[in-house]
Amino acid sequence: DSGVTQTPKHLITATGQRVTLRCSPRSGDLSVYWYQQSLDQGLQFLIQYYNGEERAKGNILERFSAQQFPDLHSELNLSSLELGDSALYFCASSVWGTNSPLHFGNGTRLTVT
Amino acid sequence: EDKVVQSPLSLVVHEGDTVTLNCSYEVTNFRSLLWYKQEKKAPTFLFMLTSSGIEKKSGRLSSILDKKELFSILNITATQTGDSAVYLCAFTSGTYKYIFGTGTRLKVLA
Repeated sequence: DSGVTQTPKHLITATGQRVTLRCSPRSGDLSVYWYQQSLDQGLQFLIQYYNGEERAKGNILERFSAQQFPDLHSELNLSSLELGDSALYFCASSVWGTNSPLHFGNGTRLTVT
Repeated sequence: EDKVVQSPLSLVVHEGDTVTLNCSYEVTNFRSLLWYKQEKKAPTFLFMLTSSGIEKKSGRLSSILDKKELFSILNITATQTGDSAVYLCAFTSGTYKYIFGTGTRLKVLA
């Protein structure tokens, strides 16, 4: 168990809808990362937060947004969903910066029908 | 553009075999290289390497980094069916970036 908690485990929704994915980092970790993994694809970096502030953005669509709250949990909001958004979404946390490894949650599997 | 390439893409071996997985990278402001094992769900952390030429070991797994030639290898000796997974290589760049390769899918047959 990595200590990173993601909810829900599964989401099935229709095109055009909006969903929210939630992540609680490991105790003591200040940095939260979101990744998307499509079938047989690598981990695509979406966005990173450190202690409540956005620090880096990857290939995140404008329809997607995220935030990190004062208690350090993070939410990823996906709106106007399309079939191609179906994927496994991972949250990962680290103490700070790149001097420590990322620890991943078990992911949220999103299916858009 | 920063990138990491893993090879082979997939590998099938028999229990007891030794395998070597490769990871090469091109990155500005390199900090470290990491290996992860991904079975059905979350990638789990294996190794983090920052210094060239120093081998890290954990049981039957070991890894080494060559910063001059820009690559790393992950060795697994005496493979077991439980080693079947996708092995991901990642490097860190600067303060915040973790860039992952697409992985090597290893299948170990009994």
